[in-house]
Amino acid sequence: AQTVTQSQPEMSVQEAETVTLSCTYDTSESNYYLFWYKQPPSRQMILVIRQEAYKQQNATENRFSVNFQKAAKSFSLKISDSQLGDTAMYFCALHAGNNRKLIWGLGTSLAVNP
Amino acid sequence: EAGVAQSPRYKIIEKRQSVAFWCNPISGHATLYWYQQILGQGPKLLIQFQNNGVVDDSQLPKDRFSAERLKGVDSTLKIQPAKLEDSAVYLCASREQGAKGTQYFGPGTRLTVL
Repeated sequence: AQTVTQSQPEMSVQEAETVTLSCTYDTSESNYYLFWYKQPPSRQMILVIRQEAYKQQNATENRFSVNFQKAAKSFSLKISDSQLGDTAMYFCALHAGNNRKLIWGLGTSLAVNP
Repeated sequence: EAGVAQSPRYKIIEKRQSVAFWCNPISGHATLYWYQQILGQGPKLLIQFQNNGVVDDSQLPKDRFSAERLKGVDSTLKIQPAKLEDSAVYLCASREQGAKGTQYFGPGTRLTVL
């Protein structure tokens, strides 16, 4: 079975600081993709970053980067220079094999404080 | 490129009434998903279409929910009759064929059943 676990239900960070959100996953597939999605209070789900399992290099998108540890099945998200607009629910998700659907974690609620 | 469109954005109905949601995916995206997201939880896949065929509807409560995707483009999701527990945000997402799992989401429809 494929699973995604986010062990931090809530986190907070001061504006301009750095925060790391944790995600672990499990799959027996060799070909898979990992995602972080952000869901602000408006409830729209926004893609933050994507990592392809066969790529060793960690994905980066501006202030967002991941630490992908394939052997440990860990996929953490680092947000640098946190901004008030980063306040949101963050979901980690896995797409593996020919499944065609995303397996979702339960989410981490991040509050950026001024 | 236009994103995934959904309407209405908000809907309030009485229990036992009917409601329908509409989704127009990103142009050219073959796969379309409907999710139900209850407040405080992650998205739950209701149904997945590949073009105009159903790939997965295992979590769709078929006694009251129905969905169709005529002509393989836009889609409607219907609830008839609605129950109090159907209060949620209904998210539509689409994915390009062979797009490595990345789903793009619409703004969602927030349903309140009174």
